[in-house]
Amino acid sequence: GENVEQHPSTLSVQEGDSAVIKCTYSDSASNYFPWYKQELGKRPQLIIDIRSNVGEKKDQRIAVTLNKTAKHFSLHITETQPEDSAVYFCAAITWDDKIIFGKGTRLHILP
Amino acid sequence: KAGVTQTPRYLIKTRGQQVTLSCSPISGHRSVSWYQQTPGQGLQFLFEYFSETQRNKGNFPGRFSGRQFSNSRSEMNVSTLELGDSALYLCASRQSYNEQFFGPGTRLTVL
Repeated sequence: GENVEQHPSTLSVQEGDSAVIKCTYSDSASNYFPWYKQELGKRPQLIIDIRSNVGEKKDQRIAVTLNKTAKHFSLHITETQPEDSAVYFCAAITWDDKIIFGKGTRLHILP
Repeated sequence: KAGVTQTPRYLIKTRGQQVTLSCSPISGHRSVSWYQQTPGQGLQFLFEYFSETQRNKGNFPGRFSGRQFSNSRSEMNVSTLELGDSALYLCASRQSYNEQFFGPGTRLTVL
């Protein structure tokens, strides 16, 4: 069945450095890729998304890149800040409108 | 537009009991999905309903069931509760091929 693999499961970076989280999907017809951030005790919330007709999208310190040939997409956070500490989930929506989540990455920003 | 709402927010039950959780999606959203989240774990997919029909199902035992009404509101039922069912249950709604919006969750504790 369809699958989304997310790496790493845990990531620690020094404040001010960049963080990169990678996801690989199995359904080549997937066309929409959202990223969610879940802070402690809160619900997951969308932080950025990308559709299959675009290779890259940026929103201030956050960017997402998509490589359709390799079937992977990545979240890039630059100039990390303490408030970036959270669990991040990638997801892919398949051709038949199924949304599949990765297992999540716990990001720690070290002071 | 009002967000996804879930009731109750907190629930304490004892082993062997059953429980019903409720979710009201964003107006106009026909897809409602349910997830189980335990501490430090990702989003475990339970099932998705679309226009009153179960469209997708995760790998949970038959004790977990759900339904969706004509107004898109959804309920989830867990029968014969076990200690391991203690978790945060998240409901999410969306329009087809678009982002999911999560509710605040129902925290279930089984004693």
